[in-house]
Amino acid sequence: RKEVEQDPGPFNVPEGATVAFNCTYSNSASQSFFWYRQDCRKEPKLLMSVYSSGNEDGRFTAQLNRASQYISLLIRDSKLSDSATYLCVVNILTGGGNKLTFGTGTQLKVEL
Amino acid sequence: NAGVMQNPRHLVRRRGQEARLRCSPMKGHSHVYWYRQLPEEGLKFMVYLQKENIIDESGMPKERFSAEFPKEGPSILRIQQVVRGDSAAYFCASSPMEVGLSYNSPLHFGNGTRLTVT
Repeated sequence: RKEVEQDPGPFNVPEGATVAFNCTYSNSASQSFFWYRQDCRKEPKLLMSVYSSGNEDGRFTAQLNRASQYISLLIRDSKLSDSATYLCVVNILTGGGNKLTFGTGTQLKVEL
Repeated sequence: NAGVMQNPRHLVRRRGQEARLRCSPMKGHSHVYWYRQLPEEGLKFMVYLQKENIIDESGMPKERFSAEFPKEGPSILRIQQVVRGDSAAYFCASSPMEVGLSYNSPLHFGNGTRLTVT
């Protein structure tokens, strides 16, 4: 089983739609979770941290389900500028300390 | 407040040459992470360094690759005798503390070095 798994997509949605991405992780000891966004051939940028109680930032809502070991990202009222790859990121504790492990990403295309 | 600075942005090397990639972390950050992204693939962890110390190099290929983060100056990722399979985007990221300790410890990425081996 992969440490972090995401549906690669692509998700093609019309402008204004609501879209949700899920991500599962294998290490039950993971403590911190993030969503990053990566535009084509650019560096990943932090979108939001994921808090235990869930959190919202404008049109974006993140949820964590520790029992089922998954996190989700909900985007409301999609904009053309939301088109990007969304990366689920989980800390994995190894013998060398913590490291952030990235999923392969879910591609979103928002269309007119 | 400059972000993570990587150079060069693009690097072309012939097979067998050496590639040196440099990364200056954000001001105040002493934790540096290197990731590699192959075409059409996700980011893969390579190495985690603090000043003058390699903390975790479990993602580094055993041969030809090395990394350092000296007391003064940028972190360097060095690839000796490059092969075509080394062609990728190499991202450096920094953090003020060990990542994963809390939701306040994400990574801040540089804009990457795109290595092409011909």
